[in-house]
Amino acid sequence: AQSVTQPDIHITVSEGASLELRCNYSYGATPYLFWYVQSPGQGLQLLLKYFSGDTLVQGIKGFEAEFKRSQSSFNLRKPSVHWSDAAEYFCAVVLSGGGADGLTFGKGTHLIIQP
Amino acid sequence: EAGVAQSPRYKIIEKRQSVAFWCNPISGHATLYWYQQILGQGPKLLIQFQNNGVVDDSQLPKDRFSAERLKGVDSTLKIQPAKLEDSAVYLCASSLEGNYNSPLHFGNGTRLTVT
Repeated sequence: AQSVTQPDIHITVSEGASLELRCNYSYGATPYLFWYVQSPGQGLQLLLKYFSGDTLVQGIKGFEAEFKRSQSSFNLRKPSVHWSDAAEYFCAVVLSGGGADGLTFGKGTHLIIQP
Repeated sequence: EAGVAQSPRYKIIEKRQSVAFWCNPISGHATLYWYQQILGQGPKLLIQFQNNGVVDDSQLPKDRFSAERLKGVDSTLKIQPAKLEDSAVYLCASSLEGNYNSPLHFGNGTRLTVT
């Protein structure tokens, strides 16, 4: 079965500093890969996705992610974080075209921004 | 465009009681999903509808959970009887297509507390 691992439960970053959130997946084939953000009391918002092609994808709010097949990773990055980026971040995978279990989410990384 | 609407926002019930959640997807979205998000975890797919038909309900505890989308638009998710471990946020999402090529749009969720 497909699985997603987000190794960091919490990350604290100073405002203006760079950010990298880690995501590793376990799957036989290259799945579709997504990053979502969830603010308190809100639903999930899609930041970016990777289906194929260029392994560096740009998303909304200044985020980007890089797919590395050799490492089965899809890490999320931002060069300079803002206080409004404080939220829960979820990596998710699905077999292309949809598969058993649908979209599988990691457990999330809680991002804390220090002033 | 209006987003995915869910109600109620919060619900507190005692174990063995029943509860129902309602979701109205974005107009024109054929695919509707119900996810369960337990505290500290990522969302888990419960059921996926394509119009008014069920595409995937493999992770739905069918002894107590039921869902319907009779007219292919809005949907209800019911739990009867509820258990303590059902305490979670129930998220509804919709998309134009069901193969994850089009993004999922999430509602703000219904937070259920079972006491």
